[in-house]
Amino acid sequence: DGGITQSPKYLFRKEGQNVTLSCEQNLNHDAMYWYRQDPGQGLRLIYYSQIVNDFQKGDIAEGYSVSREKKESFPLTVTSAQKNPTAFYLCASTPPGQHTGELFFGEGSRLTVL
Amino acid sequence: GQNIDQPTEMTATEGAIVQINCTYQTSGFNGLFWYQQHAGEAPTFLSYNVLDGLEEKGRFSSFLSRSKGYSYLLLKELQMKDSASYLCAPMDSNYQLIWGAGTKLIIKP
Repeated sequence: DGGITQSPKYLFRKEGQNVTLSCEQNLNHDAMYWYRQDPGQGLRLIYYSQIVNDFQKGDIAEGYSVSREKKESFPLTVTSAQKNPTAFYLCASTPPGQHTGELFFGEGSRLTVL
Repeated sequence: GQNIDQPTEMTATEGAIVQINCTYQTSGFNGLFWYQQHAGEAPTFLSYNVLDGLEEKGRFSSFLSRSKGYSYLLLKELQMKDSASYLCAPMDSNYQLIWGAGTKLIIKP
């Protein structure tokens, strides 16, 4: 079945460590997104990519990095520069063609910094 | 600035009707989306309005008034599985979704 797979689902990290969250999709979608969700707040856009080898900063990109070497993959690295990384991270994609807000989400990755 | 306002929490009874309101201010407008999010899970798409009026989809309907910057999601014949957060998300002039914090809906038997 087509969909978006995020891994790991739960991750614990010590302060000062980088961690990479995986996002893979087999929907043949061009655009992919990374969001962060904190309790009591709306989803906030970290990075997005409209095509392979191109990506743009979202509203809260500081302390994060991404790559888009393949259409299917859009990994997110949470670096030690991110001051408050504990959050629920969501990867999403949208179908090709027209602008659309109908996002298809992965199951999410919950990162806890100890 | 861009702002989304929706109630933090609502409670309703199984079998009843509930209306979740959302007011918004965005830089440009390219439609408004509603998503449902169960606790600990990812959001799922419910509805999209780009023109004024009511869009009905089964037990769920969504209304939009662009001049008032206002939308609501109407849920009928509530079921226990409707207990979730409902996220209002207008799309701005750059085709980016601006997310509200969500309304947590609690359904009681």
